[in-house]
Amino acid sequence: DTGVSQNPRHKITKRGQNVTFRCDPISEHNRLYWYRQTLGQGPEFLTYFQNEAQLEKSRLLSDRFSAERPKGSFSTLEIQRTEQGDSAMYLCASSYRQANTGELFFGEGSRLTVL
Amino acid sequence: AQSVAQPEDQVNVAEGNPLTVKCTYSVSGNPYLFWYVQYPNRGLQFLLKYITGDNLVKGSYGFEAEFNKSQTSFHLKKPSALVSDSALYFCAVSNSGYALNFGKGTSLLVTP
Repeated sequence: DTGVSQNPRHKITKRGQNVTFRCDPISEHNRLYWYRQTLGQGPEFLTYFQNEAQLEKSRLLSDRFSAERPKGSFSTLEIQRTEQGDSAMYLCASSYRQANTGELFFGEGSRLTVL
Repeated sequence: AQSVAQPEDQVNVAEGNPLTVKCTYSVSGNPYLFWYVQYPNRGLQFLLKYITGDNLVKGSYGFEAEFNKSQTSFHLKKPSALVSDSALYFCAVSNSGYALNFGKGTSLLVTP
């Protein structure tokens, strides 16, 4: 499978715990994106990387959220001190470096449930 | 600020009939507009986009969309619906190409 891979697919945690999600993009893609989707809503942009550089971060993103892409390949999204409102599907996507194309390749997502 | 609105939560159509899924947008400057589809237990898939050029854009699986600047709309269409087209459809707008603003989605149900 050469698509975008996300792990774990499901995570259940207690409020206050830290969680980390991993995304492996399509190998030749140098742009990587994180989105969040809650039930009945469309995906919401969180952040994006070009290679290892984090170029944009949503103003709505809490300081408890941090993302890294240390070698320009896989990425991790960490949520510290989780809250019930963090329960959502976290989507990763990747794309070629083509300005303004918007053709993103999405993974199947990591579902977070905070009890 | 940029946003899209999908006024219909659900669209029902009989197989073989034409389908339309509506989207209107609000953006400052020239919009980049997109349609994505989400099948059950599958990731979002790109269908088509409008960046510039012809107002009628053709995409995957026989879908097309018409950009209408005066009505600020970008409706998704298909001449003849298939049962396999049943899915969740998202319209999105961007002025950057990476930070897409998605609508709430429209559930399309095609009945045999």
